Amino acid sequence: AQSVTQLGSHVSVSEGALVLLRCNYSSSVPPYLFWYVQYPNQGLQLLLKYTTGATLVKGINGFEAEFKKSETSFHLTKPSAHMSDAAEYFCAVRNTGRRALTFGSGTRLQVQP
Amino acid sequence: DVKVTQSSRYLVKRTGEKVFLECVQDMDHENMFWYRQDPGLGLRLIYFSYDVKMKEKGDIPEGYSVSREKKERFSLILESASTNQTSMYLCASSKAGLAGGETQYFGPGTRLLVL
Repeated sequence: AQSVTQLGSHVSVSEGALVLLRCNYSSSVPPYLFWYVQYPNQGLQLLLKYTTGATLVKGINGFEAEFKKSETSFHLTKPSAHMSDAAEYFCAVRNTGRRALTFGSGTRLQVQP
Repeated sequence: DVKVTQSSRYLVKRTGEKVFLECVQDMDHENMFWYRQDPGLGLRLIYFSYDVKMKEKGDIPEGYSVSREKKERFSLILESASTNQTSMYLCASSKAGLAGGETQYFGPGTRLLVL
């Protein structure tokens, strides 16, 4: 069975500060990993995904994530937070042979001026 | 651009009513999904469909059913709505393939309140 743990249901940073949102997964096989963002009253939008190849993945809006197999982690980072980054972020995993995603519980990011 | 639309953004229903949530995608995707989103629980899969008239149960199918008569449309049905089904419902679609890397595209969600 696969599962996803997002540490910290709420994260608050100052504008211009580093954003770090943590995601750890459990999977019996190499997974496919995703980060989605949800702005208020909207659906989910893909930020980035890891399938194969380079373990550092760059996404939209300046976000990136690194797949670390030894740590079973896929943390999301952005060097400098912007007010528009305030949203809820979801990490998700899918194994080969499964059609559906398994989501973490989400992390709400607040950006203080 | 992929577009996934849901029939209602907000819905208020009474306990015991039969509720239909509709989802339409315009990208000829084979897979369609219904998730439920609750605070602190993330998204949980209710049902998904990988072809017309084909469906599989997700993690929390109890109290729900689905229908897929056309490739572009996937309906979620609450047979007899209950207050514990008050939630945000999200529809998604993706291309076929079991390789795992396919992106799921989400609709804007339907916020359902059952009184």
